[in-house]
Amino acid sequence: GQSLEQPSEVTAVEGAIVQMNCTYQTSGFYGLSWYQQHDGGAPTFLSYNALDGLEETGRFSSFLSRSDSYGYLLLQELQMKDSASYFCAVLTHNNDMRFGAGTRLTVKP
Amino acid sequence: DTEVTQTPKHLVMGMTNKKSLKCEQHMGHRAMYWYKQKAKKPPELMFVYSYEKLSINESVPSRFSPECPNSSLLNLHLHALQPEDSALYLCASSQPLTDSQETQYFGPGTRLLVL
Repeated sequence: GQSLEQPSEVTAVEGAIVQMNCTYQTSGFYGLSWYQQHDGGAPTFLSYNALDGLEETGRFSSFLSRSDSYGYLLLQELQMKDSASYFCAVLTHNNDMRFGAGTRLTVKP
Repeated sequence: DTEVTQTPKHLVMGMTNKKSLKCEQHMGHRAMYWYKQKAKKPPELMFVYSYEKLSINESVPSRFSPECPNSSLLNLHLHALQPEDSALYLCASSQPLTDSQETQYFGPGTRLLVL
């Protein structure tokens, strides 16, 4: 089977840096994706890691350690519009993608 | 064009109705997906089509019937649904893993209410 764990809620202030963690257990692991979802909206792709290390895309960075079955999403220079739910999702070799329960990020002034 | 479109945006149906959800993409993706998402929960995978063939069927009740008429279109036929089937139904597309493309692009979803 597969399981993913994420903290349920994180709160941070504007301009700060926040790290959201994801641990997973799966067979046939291929890669780890991160998605952002605002209330009432659809998930939008943020970042993807197939190999160990850090991927950076603007204010967003994602890290993966395959040996630790662990990844995180780092958001810098937080803005109010970053308040949303953030999901990690494991992609397996048979095109199967499973989402974690998500972390609800609240950015305060 | 990185857009996945879904119609309708909203749907209200009775338990005896038959309706269909539609999804379309023109990115040349050969894998398409249906997800179900309840409020404050993550998306749950229902079906995966790869090269127009059903490759994953997540033990979804038979009242949900997927169809992939061609590489750009994905339908979800609904019949005799239950109130607990009310949810946001999301379509996504990507290239299959053998083509080394891992990003899934999601449509805006169809918000379904079953009365």
